[in-house]
Amino acid sequence: GAVVSQHPSWVICKSGTSVKIECRSLDFQATTMFWYRQFPKQSLMLMATSNEGSKATYEQGVEKDKFLINHASLTLSTLTVTSAHPEDSSFYICSASPERSLGNSPLHFGNGTRLTVT
Amino acid sequence: GQNIDQPTEMTATEGAIVQINCTYQTSGFNGLFWYQQHAGEAPTFLSYNVLDGLEEKGRFSSFLSRSKGYSYLLLKELQMKDSASYLCAVRDGDYKLSFGAGTTVTVRA
Repeated sequence: GAVVSQHPSWVICKSGTSVKIECRSLDFQATTMFWYRQFPKQSLMLMATSNEGSKATYEQGVEKDKFLINHASLTLSTLTVTSAHPEDSSFYICSASPERSLGNSPLHFGNGTRLTVT
Repeated sequence: GQNIDQPTEMTATEGAIVQINCTYQTSGFNGLFWYQQHAGEAPTFLSYNVLDGLEEKGRFSSFLSRSKGYSYLLLKELQMKDSASYLCAVRDGDYKLSFGAGTTVTVRA
């Protein structure tokens, strides 16, 4: 159980375009999902906390107008990278945890999306 | 922010034991996690500690001392497939999970 699906697995886009990444919890409901970014040979950095039915909470230094997060249902959160630039090229990973055991349950991660902006 | 430190790299021989240490300083504490990550893939959950002591799961064990802000992951009977990055992650008082930079373990025959 506790499967998180992320789509697409990889995407190449031109500079200035927008890219949408979907994160779904397949067998559980999650009012909270988390979006991370990982640059090569670096650790995962939390970008934002996605809250179902309300605004996302962004970490310091993350532009909320550039990284749009929508959490419209209990099983789906989307991250849209707007006006992408080459420096946005990274590995984006979403995660979630079954609500009833958030206190002692590990986060389960999607397979990640490799974004390359040319 | 959180401060989580772990060694950058470790090398060990197949069949041996390796211990990866992690020290942390966080605002509030709601558990420490260890994840394994192979290159280009998402992290997979290995272990969880919230109380002091040792948690054993097969070849992997994890230890926690909350008073010392210290944990270690012990990998026994190393196999080649254990070559990966091991991430120490701490859940703070707001239930945010922050990661250390990861320890790259290389298993040699």
